[in-house]
Amino acid sequence: DQQVKQNSPSLSVQEGRISILNCDYTNSMFDYFLWYKKYPAEGPTFLISISSIKDKNEDGRFTVFLNKSAKHLSLHIVPSQPGDSAVYFCAAGKGSWGKLQFGAGTQVVVTP
Amino acid sequence: ETGVTQSPTHLIKTRGQQVTLRCSSQSGHNTVSWYQQALGQGPQFIFQYYREEENGRGNFPPRFSGLQFPNYSSELNVNALELDDSALYLCASSSGLGGGAQETQYFGPGTRLLVL
Repeated sequence: DQQVKQNSPSLSVQEGRISILNCDYTNSMFDYFLWYKKYPAEGPTFLISISSIKDKNEDGRFTVFLNKSAKHLSLHIVPSQPGDSAVYFCAAGKGSWGKLQFGAGTQVVVTP
Repeated sequence: ETGVTQSPTHLIKTRGQQVTLRCSSQSGHNTVSWYQQALGQGPQFIFQYYREEENGRGNFPPRFSGLQFPNYSSELNVNALELDDSALYLCASSSGLGGGAQETQYFGPGTRLLVL
């Protein structure tokens, strides 16, 4: 039962342009959502989060948008940099930390 | 402040064997969660330990079991290994149970398990 879905397995973007990563979920009981970034041979690292009571959260180059009616969230990275090349996971949670549902990930490649 | 560490980094086992994976939580963290990440998929929640007690479990069979020790380090044990158990096993630690969008869960680098 895949409750969090990332339908784009990969994304290629030019340096300096915007990267938009999408995520859909099915469980309306999730009360927070997170994005993680993962480099090879490392564990996921927390990037940005949003509470279900908000529709936008911004942190530097990263902005997450939440559309609860559509059960959809997106991560915008502006401007994209070569160091942003990684796998990005969308995750959702309810209640206490740690019991997260993850999407399958999107591999982002930022080209010069 | 040390981060989350896991051992071993890689492991090869044969079907039917048993395996123990270890995780040292970040200093000051009393909650450890374990995840399984199969190739091409996102991490799947296995279970969580809070102050040495199991605090929630995902959709994994009983042959997946765990422990948390008084120093809050943790073990994941898998009995009767199956080929589909081949995956990256991640642990993550946090301070308390918290909750909400102020995520402070930190992941280790994982243990890569291959079952032949």
